[in-house]
Formats: sequence, structure tokens, C-alpha cells
Amino acid sequence: GAGVSQSPRYKVAKRGQDVALRCDPISGHVSLFWYQQALGQGPEFLTYFQNEAQLDKSGLPSDRFFAERPEGSVSTLKIQRTQQEDSAVYLCASSPLRPETQYFGPGTRLLVL
Amino acid sequence: AQTVTQSQPEMSVQEAETVTLSCTYDTSESNYYLFWYKQPPSRQMILVIRQEAYKQQNATENRFSVNFQKAAKSFSLKISDSQLGDTAMYFCAFMKPHAGGTSYGKLTFGQGTILTVHP
Repeated sequence: GAGVSQSPRYKVAKRGQDVALRCDPISGHVSLFWYQQALGQGPEFLTYFQNEAQLDKSGLPSDRFFAERPEGSVSTLKIQRTQQEDSAVYLCASSPLRPETQYFGPGTRLLVL
Repeated sequence: AQTVTQSQPEMSVQEAETVTLSCTYDTSESNYYLFWYKQPPSRQMILVIRQEAYKQQNATENRFSVNFQKAAKSFSLKISDSQLGDTAMYFCAFMKPHAGGTSYGKLTFGQGTILTVHP
């Protein structure tokens, strides 16, 4: 079966632009996570969905960041008015209801100029 | 809050040799999960091995094994018979246990260790 997919793989944005990053989880996976990974660092938690419910958004760095998963499958992470400090790889992971094993996507590398 | 510390920014090893990557963590939880993930250059994160804190036996997966010292809050990864394909960034990660009836799996990662396997 297909793994977690993310699109686009690379995104270059001018400072101030809005961007939308997409995550397609493994079919049937209830839990979905977004992480932000700065260059040379470990990923940091952004937000968590169980089906369509966003149960934790404590890691979102500012109100410019917004995530949704309206039908409990595909998720979109939106960043408004991008800043240079938003440049990072954004990782999506999905898991069954008991998330002992998270399956990661390839990530979207965002560069804000 | 939980913290995970990897004190070795970079490690190198000769092919076929053994290498150990270190990880320490801090938590007040009594039950939790610990993980080692591998991230090859420009490729996606892959789970290497998982340890449940209530299990005293150290987890093993083929050439990969861990030394889990719960009292010391230490979780090191040993790679035996290193192969060129083991070259990657390795992350240690912590996961809190489930909260009641709601499953929850937020991972807290360390800073990573770059492992290079030389021929």
C-alpha cells in the first residue's frame, strides 16, 4: 500500500505570501501529526488530529499557522504571510488509533525569501 | 515537559564495525515509549526500533539493539556490523502514554546524531 505522501515537495515563497502544504496519510489511519524541522535539527511538534478533530495545536508557532483535516483524511497546513523564519521542512506523519508507530511522509521543504 | 538530549552531534564508524549512539531523556512519567528514527540524506524518516518503558527487556531489530536504563533515563542505540546504508541522521524520540480513552502520540525528538559509515 501507499505510504504517507506530501505535496509539494519543495516550495519557494516570497516573504508575505500565503502557502498551503498538503498531506495524504495512509488510508485508514486515524491520527495525523504535523512537525516542523529546521535545518540540522530534530522535528518539533506542531499539531495533532484524530480523524477530523484537531485535539492539540499547542505547537503552532503563531496565529499565522492554521491546519485542517475536514473529512478526516487529507490534511492541509496553511501558513499566512510567510516569514523567513518559517523556512523549514514540514513533516506529516500518520498512525492507527494507537500511535505507537508513526509513519512519516517525505516532507515539504519550504524556503521563504 | 519531556526533554530528549543527544550529546553526540556527529559519529563515524568503519564498515562492519559497531557503533553506539547515546540518548538521555527527562520525564516524570512512569510509562512511555522510546524510539530511534533514521533520516537518510534527503529521504524520509524511518522507524528503526521502539522500546516500551514497562518492558525491562531491551528491544532488538536485526543489527540494531538498544540499552535501556530506566533509572538513569538513558536509551542508547547499538548498530552492529555497520553498513554504508546506515549513513544517516539518527533521532531519539519520546512519546507519552495514552491519555485515558484518547490515543495520543506526540513525539518529542532529540537534536539528532549524524552517523557516517566509512568503507
